[in-house]
Amino acid sequence: GAVVSQHPSRVICKSGTSVKIECRSLDFQATTMFWYRQFPKQSLMLMATSNEGSKATYEQGVEKDKFLINHASLTLSTLTVTSAHPEDSSFYICSADNRNSYSYEQYFGPGTRLTVT
Amino acid sequence: AQRVTQPEKLLSVFKGAPVELKCNYSYSGSPELFWYVQYSRQRLQLLLRHISRESIKGFTADLNKGETSFHLKKPFAQEEDSAMYYCALSGFEAGGTSYGKLTFGQGTILTVHP
Repeated sequence: GAVVSQHPSRVICKSGTSVKIECRSLDFQATTMFWYRQFPKQSLMLMATSNEGSKATYEQGVEKDKFLINHASLTLSTLTVTSAHPEDSSFYICSADNRNSYSYEQYFGPGTRLTVT
Repeated sequence: AQRVTQPEKLLSVFKGAPVELKCNYSYSGSPELFWYVQYSRQRLQLLLRHISRESIKGFTADLNKGETSFHLKKPFAQEEDSAMYYCALSGFEAGGTSYGKLTFGQGTILTVHP
């Protein structure tokens, strides 16, 4: 089946630094990748939609200058949290749609735990 | 705007008992509804979608447009069904192809006791 990986799985950084999270579709090409944020025991909140070769579309309330998204190829999207602060600590999850599948489905990565100290 | 509501944050049943996880949605167009499941320490995965009309792991869900509901049901719960369940909605854009953006409900933690 289709697999989505994320790297790193956990990262701890100091306040004010930037952190990059990678999302890869391992055995399929993804036209669109999505980035979510999940707080403990809460739902997934869509942050942005990332299309290969174009600018990401951010959801209302998500700062695009703080959460930089790059979707350089059909198998890789990156999320960079710039000038991270403790309130950015969260679980970040990406997903990718399978453009080769005749029936639409999103495949989710395992998530990245970000802790800002 | 699209919204998904799962009224129960926690649901506990005993093995062999029927289980129903409730999901209501709000969307002005024609939605596609999904149930996703997240087992302990695993990633989110698709359980079923309304257009497939399948039964996966004994679970079924019927879209009721009149009541704007998509409740998940299983007649006999098993311990391995214990997990977090999310109901999600994707809105169709003009032309009938799914836009793809998912709106998730708050999730329901199902615990099946032996």
